[in-house]
Amino acid sequence: EVQLLESGGGLVQPGGSLRLSCVASGFTFSTYAMSWVRQAPGKGLEWVSAISGSGANTYHADSVKGRFTISRDNSKNTLFLQMNSLRAEDTALYYCAYSPGGWNYFDYWGQGTLVTVSS
Amino acid sequence: EIVMTQSPATLSVTPGERVTLSCRASQSVSSNLAWYQQKPGQAPRLLIYGASTRATGIPARFSGNGSGTEFTLTISSLQSEDFAVYYCQQYNNWPRTFGGGTKVEIK
Repeated sequence: EVQLLESGGGLVQPGGSLRLSCVASGFTFSTYAMSWVRQAPGKGLEWVSAISGSGANTYHADSVKGRFTISRDNSKNTLFLQMNSLRAEDTALYYCAYSPGGWNYFDYWGQGTLVTVSS
Repeated sequence: EIVMTQSPATLSVTPGERVTLSCRASQSVSSNLAWYQQKPGQAPRLLIYGASTRATGIPARFSGNGSGTEFTLTISSLQSEDFAVYYCQQYNNWPRTFGGGTKVEIK
């Protein structure tokens, strides 16, 4: 059974940093691209970042480019999102997600970890 | 960035009704479009990919159509468990982008 378990969310002041983690199980983690998708309270879905199975290729939304970095540790089946220079508009539930079909759409989602940026 | 526009924002329907949701892309995404269903407090659930292919375990009452810039999701006979928010998402270009969602509510 595929499981994605996010952690690392919390309350942080504007300008601060957080590192999110997503531990994966139930599939061969290193084979598949992974993504982060976020959802602000009461709002829609926003794709944030994606990384290839090897970690060699990454993509970020313009809204987070230069501030967020996606990475992975295939030896620990773990996906990361390093978030720096956080803004109020980064407040959201952050999901990790993936598809066996590639990094296009998302079959599997975690339950999310909440990031709140506020003073 | 490709902008995905969904309409209507809210749809009030009676159980058993046929429902059609629309999604428009600001430029062609070929058939690289997915649909998701999200219920309150839950993660999104993939319904359709490739514009018209149902994901594993998705009931046949859900169907997707379209290509290029115009897409539809049809629920042939709305069940009580189908009241939710529906999102489209393109994966033809980076960045991947979602529509703003259509909320299907009970009339």
